[in-house]
Amino acid sequence: KAGVTQTPRYLIKTRGQQVTLSCSPISGHRSVSWYQQTPGQGLQFLFEYFSETQRNKGNFPGRFSGRQFSNSRSEMNVSTLELGDSALYLCASNGGGGGANVLTFGAGSRLTVL
Amino acid sequence: AQRVTQPEKLLSVFKGAPVELKCNYSYSGSPELFWYVQYSRQRLQLLLRHISRESIKGFTADLNKGETSFHLKKPFAQEEDSAMYYCASAGGTSYGKLTFGQGTILTVHP
Repeated sequence: KAGVTQTPRYLIKTRGQQVTLSCSPISGHRSVSWYQQTPGQGLQFLFEYFSETQRNKGNFPGRFSGRQFSNSRSEMNVSTLELGDSALYLCASNGGGGGANVLTFGAGSRLTVL
Repeated sequence: AQRVTQPEKLLSVFKGAPVELKCNYSYSGSPELFWYVQYSRQRLQLLLRHISRESIKGFTADLNKGETSFHLKKPFAQEEDSAMYYCASAGGTSYGKLTFGQGTILTVHP
C-alpha cells in the first residue's frame, strides 16, 4: 500500500506570494489532517478534512486554507506569504479503523519564504 | 486548551540502560494519549497509544491520571532507539487534531 504522498517536497517562495501544497492519503483513507512544523513552535494542527468537509480547524489566520476532493486528495493554500510561514508542512491520513486520531504522516513539504 | 509538556529536550543514555521519556498533559476530560517517533531521515510514525496498552519495540507507557502523565519507558535501551520522540494528546471529538509536545531527542550511546 502506498503511503501518504506530499508534493512538492521542497519549494521556495517570496513574501507576498501564495503557495498550494498537495496531499494524497493512503488509499481508502478519507480523513486528511495538516500540520505545520517549525523549530520554535513545534507541530501545530492546521485543519482536518473528511469527505470534503472541514471538521476541525486550528488557530491559524485565514491566509491558511484547505480543501479536499472527492477522491480524498487534499490541498492546502497559504496566501500572502510571510517569512514566518517558512516551515515543514505535514499531511497525515487516517482510515478510521484504528481510531480517529491514529495518523499516518507523509514526508512533508518544506516551504522556504524569502 | 490542551497542553502537552515534555520537559527534556535532550536525553542521553548508554546501551542497555533504562530510559524514561517524560510527558505531562493538561486536559479536563479523558484524553487519548500517544507517543510518536521520528527516526533519522524517516517519517513521523505512531509508536504506541494508551488505549492499546501494548508494548512496541520494548517500549511501554502508562497513563497516570492522578499525575496527568504518560511517560514512555524501556528497560534496556538500544542504539536503534535513538530518535525524536513526541508525546501527543487528543480529546473529545478531535478528528485528527493532536496536540504535540515539543519532543525529546533520545541518543543511545554504544
